[in-house]
Formats: sequence, structure tokens, C-alpha cells
Amino acid sequence: DGGITQSPKYLFRKEGQNVTLSCEQNLNHDAMYWYRQDPGQGLRLIYYSQIVNDFQKGDIAEGYSVSREKKESFPLTVTSAQKNPTAFYLCASKWGNQPQHFGDGTRLSIL
Amino acid sequence: KNQVEQSPQSLIILEGKNCTLQCNYTVSPFSNLRWYKQDTGRGPVSLTIMTFSENTKSNGRYTATLDADTKQSSLHITASQLSDSASYICVVSLYNTDKLIFGTGTRLQVFP
Repeated sequence: DGGITQSPKYLFRKEGQNVTLSCEQNLNHDAMYWYRQDPGQGLRLIYYSQIVNDFQKGDIAEGYSVSREKKESFPLTVTSAQKNPTAFYLCASKWGNQPQHFGDGTRLSIL
Repeated sequence: KNQVEQSPQSLIILEGKNCTLQCNYTVSPFSNLRWYKQDTGRGPVSLTIMTFSENTKSNGRYTATLDADTKQSSLHITASQLSDSASYICVVSLYNTDKLIFGTGTRLQVFP
């Protein structure tokens, strides 16, 4: 079955530590996205990539970094500069004008 | 400012009843409006998508309406089931961009 796989499902970060969230898709979609979801707020765009080896900052990119070395992979690193990283992180992909297809998310918590 | 507002924030209904969720938006230029269903701890799943010229779209027991003049949309759920318990998110797409504006969602709980 085609889809988006996010791992791990749950992740814990210590103070001052960088962590990387994985996002893999086998849908052959060109565009991929990372969102952050907090209680009572709409999804907010962190980074997006429309093609391999290219990515753009979204609305809340500070404290995050990404890479897009392969079409099917778009990992997100939450750096120690992100002072409030506790959230539900969602990865999405899309082809053309079709709706974005989402993964099942990674919940990041601070120890 | 581009915004999407949803109401109510939460809703409790009995199994078998109908319900309607509301979405008001102030997004310009408008491209399309989507409704997503998000189960707890899962990613959102697309239910419907409507462009400017469409005023209704159905997906099984889900029917979405769009009034582009008043910038309002509704999602009507018929004969609710326990599996309808989820958050429903209204999303508006900006014309000629990749930008999406997300509402905060309506949390629906269906009880037997």
C-alpha cells in the first residue's frame, strides 16, 4: 500500500539535545511538508520541499532544519534552539493539485 | 489577515443523530476549501474538496457546502456513527500558491 510513514510514533528529548523525525513516502509525490500541531491551534507549516535538493522555510522554521536528498525522504531535525518543541509533528506529501496526504505523526515530548 | 474559524469547538451527539459543523474564512485570494477528518493520534484524512464554483460535495454520509459569497462552509454528517468521533478540520487554499490556512478544528464525540 502506498502511503507516508513517520517514525518514531513517540519521541522524548532532553534539554540541549537535537532529535530527528523521519518521514518516508512511497507515493512518488514531488512535494513534501512538515507541520506542527498544538492543542487549540491550527496546523502550522515548518518547512516544505517541492523538489529534491530544494526546500523552503514555512511560517515557524526557527529552531528546525530539514534535508531533501531523496524524493521519498524528508527528515526534520528539532534543534536545541527550539525552546518549546513539545508538539505533534505531521508530515505530508502531495502531487499536483491533489489534497495533501498526511502521515500519522510523531509526538515529541521534553524530559 | 487570512483566517479560518470553526464552530463549535466541540460537539457531543448521540449515535444516529445528524450534525452540522461550521467554517467561516477570510482568505484571499481563494482557491479551494477542504474538510479533513483527524482521529486522535492520527494524521488528517481528506473528506472533500470544493473549488469556487462548487457549492456542495458529498462523500458517503458527509456532505460539505460552500457559499463563496458569504465565505462560509458547512460539513453535515448524517446518521452519525461511533467511528465519526474525531476532529474535523476546515482548510482553505490560497490561489496560485502552495499555502494552506488551517482552522483549529471541531472535536466531535458520538456516544451510543
